[in-house]
Amino acid sequence: NAGVTQTPKFRVLKTGQSMTLLCAQDMNHEYMYWYRQDPGMGLRLIHYSVGEGTTAKGEVPDGYNVSRLKKQNFLLGLESAAPSQTSVYFCASSSKSGGAVTGELFFGEGSRLTVL
Amino acid sequence: GQSLEQPSEVTAVEGAIVQINCTYQTSGFYGLSWYQQHDGGAPTFLSYNGLDGLEETGRFSSFLSRSDSYGYLLLQELQMKDSASYFCAVKGGNQGGKLIFGQGTELSVKP
Repeated sequence: NAGVTQTPKFRVLKTGQSMTLLCAQDMNHEYMYWYRQDPGMGLRLIHYSVGEGTTAKGEVPDGYNVSRLKKQNFLLGLESAAPSQTSVYFCASSSKSGGAVTGELFFGEGSRLTVL
Repeated sequence: GQSLEQPSEVTAVEGAIVQINCTYQTSGFYGLSWYQQHDGGAPTFLSYNGLDGLEETGRFSSFLSRSDSYGYLLLQELQMKDSASYFCAVKGGNQGGKLIFGQGTELSVKP
């Protein structure tokens, strides 16, 4: 049972480069989220999705774009990477009738991004 | 908007009891959750309080007082493996299940 899988796990970019982080979940969850975590800080919500084809902004959406073309996948894109986007990125998912009610999110292992 | 406050660090000895507090300010309240994170790995869900009172799950308990905008996580019979970061989180609205997290409390359990 894979749960939530993120790829890649590590990536180094130069300023101005673009990249896409992929999140895949096999739990048939309706809701998916992208968070970033910086040292000494909690998780900050970047974007989220309540269903296929829908996305919404979170707390810190600037500089990121997302897409949810399939229910099981949620992509996070950086069009022009900046050093301030050096962070650990976590994807999570929850079910509409379960976790979304009880506050239970299932997280991936994280993607560690460094922008030079 | 929402904001949460929790202590940055707590230290306790093995076998002891420790309480991690969380105060929050929200425009609407839909529940308080707790998560554990080891060494920067995937955060894992511990507990949820939607109503006032105590929820118990094994050695861990979580308490909520909505009138005080306050909750805590209680860890009993501490073990070395409980050394981790603990986050409280509130729902960011009644749609979409998104959570807004506190900055986390790093718990160090000493022998």
